[in-house]
Amino acid sequence: VQLVESGGGLVQPGKSLKLSCSASGFTFSSYGMHWIRQAPGKGLDWVAYISSSSGTVYADAVKGRFTISRDNAKNTLYLQLNSLKSEDTAIYYCASITTSYWGQGVMVTVSS
Amino acid sequence: VLVTQTPSSLPVSLGDQASISCKSSKSLVHNNGITYLAWFLQKPGQLPQSLIHTVSNRFSGVPDRFSGSGSVSDFTLKISRVEPEDLGVYYCLQYVHYPLTFGAGTKLELK
Repeated sequence: VQLVESGGGLVQPGKSLKLSCSASGFTFSSYGMHWIRQAPGKGLDWVAYISSSSGTVYADAVKGRFTISRDNAKNTLYLQLNSLKSEDTAIYYCASITTSYWGQGVMVTVSS
Repeated sequence: VLVTQTPSSLPVSLGDQASISCKSSKSLVHNNGITYLAWFLQKPGQLPQSLIHTVSNRFSGVPDRFSGSGSVSDFTLKISRVEPEDLGVYYCLQYVHYPLTFGAGTKLELK
C-alpha cells in the first residue's frame, strides 16, 4: 500500500496550490479519504474528508477556501487550496483512517 | 467536539506501563452502535502511524502491548511494557462527529 502526496511548495498569501495523493495497493474507490495537516511543531489538525461516493466535509478554518476531490479512475485524491494564509503553513497528509494508511506528507509554506 | 488528552508529557522508564487518557465533550457512539475513537503514534521526524481503531481494535502489525479501552466519552490507551520504539507523541482522534478532532497529544519520553 502506498499513498504518495505531491504538489506542495512555497506560495504567497492569497495564492493557490493543488495537492495530489496517488494511491496504490488497495481498492481506493471503496474508501473515504481525509486530508490532515500539521503546522511546524504543532499537533494534528483535520482538514477535510471525502466519502467513497464523493460527499465532502470541511473544517471551519478551510471551508470556502479548500476543495477536496477524487478521481477513482486515476486512484488519486486532491486538495485545492485557494486564498492561502500564513496559518495554512503545514505538512499535509492524505490518510484513510479506517484502513490505517497515511501518506508521507507534503509541505506547504505560505509566505511572502 | 472537544477532545481532552492527558497528560501532555509522560516520562517513563523502559519496561514501565504507560497510560494515556482521552475524554470527549460528547458521546462518541454512532447511531450504528460503534464507538469511533482511534489512537496514533508519531515518532520523531516521522509521519503518524495508526495504532488502534474503534476504541480497542489494533491495526495489523501493532504489538499486543498496546491496548485501548473505554466507552462513550472516556477512553484510555495503555502500553504494558514501554520499549524504545514506543517513544514519541500519541494522539487520540474522535471520528464520529464532523469536524473530526484530535487530542493535543501526549509526549512519551524517557525519564
